[in-house]
Amino acid sequence: SQQGEEDPQALSIQEGENATMNCSYKTSINNLQWYRQNSGRGLVHLILIRSNEREKHSGRLRVTLDTSKKSSSLLITASRAADTASYFCATAVTGRRALTFGSGTRLQVQP
Amino acid sequence: DVKVTQSSRYLVKRTGEKVFLECVQDMDHENMFWYRQDPGLGLRLIYFSYDVKMKEKGDIPEGYSVSREKKERFSLILESASTNQTSMYLCASSLTGGVGNTIYFGEGSWLTVV
Repeated sequence: SQQGEEDPQALSIQEGENATMNCSYKTSINNLQWYRQNSGRGLVHLILIRSNEREKHSGRLRVTLDTSKKSSSLLITASRAADTASYFCATAVTGRRALTFGSGTRLQVQP
Repeated sequence: DVKVTQSSRYLVKRTGEKVFLECVQDMDHENMFWYRQDPGLGLRLIYFSYDVKMKEKGDIPEGYSVSREKKERFSLILESASTNQTSMYLCASSLTGGVGNTIYFGEGSWLTVV
């Protein structure tokens, strides 16, 4: 079953704009991770936020986590054409050995 | 850098064939995973292994089996391929110590069953 669901499914913006993607999940988590996938390639880890953290930054990435709402958001600031990719959230759930991935958001950044 | 290598990027197999997808990682990771990715469904876990010769079923193990005889190698086996197994298969690995660790993916294997 899907633990994480991303919203929107697809997003198209202009270069320089900010992109925000959301992830909702169903059960309590240990941490939540965001991954990026270029078309036809494997996934690459971007950032991890633990359940006791509310916000985390890495370069142009900002991740927030609201455990009361069971949701997270990924903000990419000053987007570039090279940010065009699919972005997935993945949850680490107590008692489960593997991450559970959502269905992803396809981001298109127009130059 | 961690490297997870999937031996075949593109495969075309016939219905009923036995298919082997091979994956090797070079970072001495305890955990290895096989996911399947389909449009609109995201990644779904097929099997994972947390030690040599140890395996656990994921969310969609039906029609698949796995083998882990050496720590660095994790194979996915389709005993009798069917058209509904046409998909992209992703292998991944991570250190032990729990599910909070980052996982590292291979480039994926595109399997078409005709």
